[in-house]
Order: sequence, then C-alpha cells, then structure tokens
Amino acid sequence: AQKVTQAQTEISVVEKEDVTLDCVYETRDTTYYLFWYKQPPSGELVFLIRRNSFDEQNEISGRYSWNFQKSTSSFNFTITASQVVDSAVYFCALSEEQTGANNLFFGTGTRLTVIP
Amino acid sequence: DGGITQSPKYLFRKEGQNVTLSCEQNLNHDAMYWYRQDPGQGLRLIYYSQIVNDFQKGDIAEGYSVSREKKESFPLTVTSAQKNPTAFYLCASTNLPSGRGNEQFFGPGTRLTVL
Repeated sequence: AQKVTQAQTEISVVEKEDVTLDCVYETRDTTYYLFWYKQPPSGELVFLIRRNSFDEQNEISGRYSWNFQKSTSSFNFTITASQVVDSAVYFCALSEEQTGANNLFFGTGTRLTVIP
Repeated sequence: DGGITQSPKYLFRKEGQNVTLSCEQNLNHDAMYWYRQDPGQGLRLIYYSQIVNDFQKGDIAEGYSVSREKKESFPLTVTSAQKNPTAFYLCASTNLPSGRGNEQFFGPGTRLTVL
C-alpha cells in the first residue's frame, strides 16, 4: 500500500496565484516525521520542511506554509503569490520511527508550473 | 563546501554491461542511501547503509549492488541483471542516531541511459 499519496500529478497556475499541494499519508506508527522536498529542473532534491507527529502547529516560512492535520492524515503545502521560480516537482515524504534507519517513503510528486 | 557529489552526471551503457555510479559526501554523515527515480513514480529506495562495511536492501535492490568501504563513499553498481536500468539515480545521506527524523541531503543525481 502506498504510504504517501500525492493525488495531484500536475498543477498549473498563473504567477501571483496561491496554490496548495496535497499530501495524504498512511502509517500505524505513533511517532513519525513528514517532509516536503522541492526538485527543480536541475534534478537535485532540496529539503523544505520537516514535521514530527507530535507537533501539529502549522508553519509559515515566507511565501510557504504547511498545514498538518493528524485527523485527516494530511500535510498540505501552500505557496502564496506564486513565482516562476517555484516551478518544480514537489515531493512529500514520510519517515517512521519503527523503521529505525531513517528511510523515507516518497509520494509520486506534484509537478507545479507557474506561468508568467 | 560540504555536500554530496555524484558522478558522472550522464551515463550511457550498452545492454549487458555493468556500470558503477559514484557517490561521495563530506558531511560526515553516518547513513547513505541510493534512490531510483522514474517518471511518475517518485523515488524508490535501492540500498542503504548506516555504517561502514554494512548495508541493507531497499524496496528494489534486484540487479544492483553496493559497497561501503569508507564512511564518505557509497558507490552503486548497476549490473546486467537489472532489466530496465534507464532512470535517474539519486544518492542521499543523513546523520544518525536513527529515529530522530533527520532530513536527508541529496546529491545532484546521475542520469543513466541504456542504449
């Protein structure tokens, strides 16, 4: 079974629009960690944020914000006032405490295109 | 600068050949990982290593082999037994102890194409 689901394969928005990328996860572990990574056209994954299962506070970093809701097993990512440089593939990932090796389970990614 | 380097950036292989992808890190990280990325499938774990001279299979280890003779190096060999090796390969590393949810740092990747 897929541990991380990113149902949106591709999204296109016009510059300055807000956009939300969805992430739904599945785990039986009580301690786990959620991540978002950005993959620009160069290919290298860039770490954006980490959240542990005991911290449901939403977080804002500039134009980026994350909404973590354990009740719906979701960890959504919103970009406010999108820019062309935000165009990339975004991955949500899960790490479970019981795995012990810090392995990451990735979703299939959402390709975001910001149109100028 | 500290980071992860992968070489080569592009690699072409004839069918039936083994090829080795290099991954080196100078972050003094304990754990290293190899992922394969195919279009529309996200990243899948091939092998990982938490300590020198020890490594474990990931979800798709068949047709691949690794070694961890030095802490900073974790080369991946794609053997002729790998039926569909054309993909983008990413190496990553992280600090342990495990269970702390530390983020993984990624290299720039190697794009392998079988001719």
